[in-house]
Amino acid sequence: AAGVIQSPRHLIKEKRETATLKCYPIPRHDTVYWYQQGPGQDPQFLISFYEKMQSDKGSIPDRFSAQQFSDYHSELNMSSLELGDSALYFCASSLGLTRSQSYEQYFGPGTRLTVT
Amino acid sequence: QKEVEQDPGPLSVPEGAIVSLNCTYSNSAFQYFMWYRQYSRKGPELLMYTYSSGNKEDGRFTAQVDKSSKYISLFIRDSQPSDSATYLCAMSARPKAAGNKLTFGGGTRVLVKP
Repeated sequence: AAGVIQSPRHLIKEKRETATLKCYPIPRHDTVYWYQQGPGQDPQFLISFYEKMQSDKGSIPDRFSAQQFSDYHSELNMSSLELGDSALYFCASSLGLTRSQSYEQYFGPGTRLTVT
Repeated sequence: QKEVEQDPGPLSVPEGAIVSLNCTYSNSAFQYFMWYRQYSRKGPELLMYTYSSGNKEDGRFTAQVDKSSKYISLFIRDSQPSDSATYLCAMSARPKAAGNKLTFGGGTRVLVKP
């Protein structure tokens, strides 16, 4: 079965640079979530989109922005990168709220971002 | 204090034993409960998803929810070395307009020894 695709898998950036992470949800899934997982930490919710509209916002820094496109893929844009932004960034997808499967979030393999 | 508490382990068991994992939570708004398995440097994999109090069984896995005590459990029977991973509980409140963000426990590292 098709899974969530994230690219790139690994990214190395320097401080103050920008980064763009991409997420392609499971086909027919219309809801996308972004999570950040620091070393030894549990995933922390950043932001989510449903039908291309932001649906919820968590502890996402103002330096970060995200959007969902017409084909339901999503991009997380990170600017003025800091050392503390080094983490695994996961994208998850699910069916929309009106479906019984809306609570089943399926995670991608993650993008490992290293800021030096 | 975190909304969801989970013993970080590590929990070491011999192959074939029952693995018992649990989480406690403080937010009464949580209504939906999930268990994820995460191998090192991989994305979390959904194992079980429950809503109501009681038990739910799926193969070797049994999930229990006790909403009155704000306590959930996952049991893994006939554990295998391939079950060695970090197990994360996750919870979600009633849906808003859209999107159900998950709040995770810290994860319990499990090691099943051959």
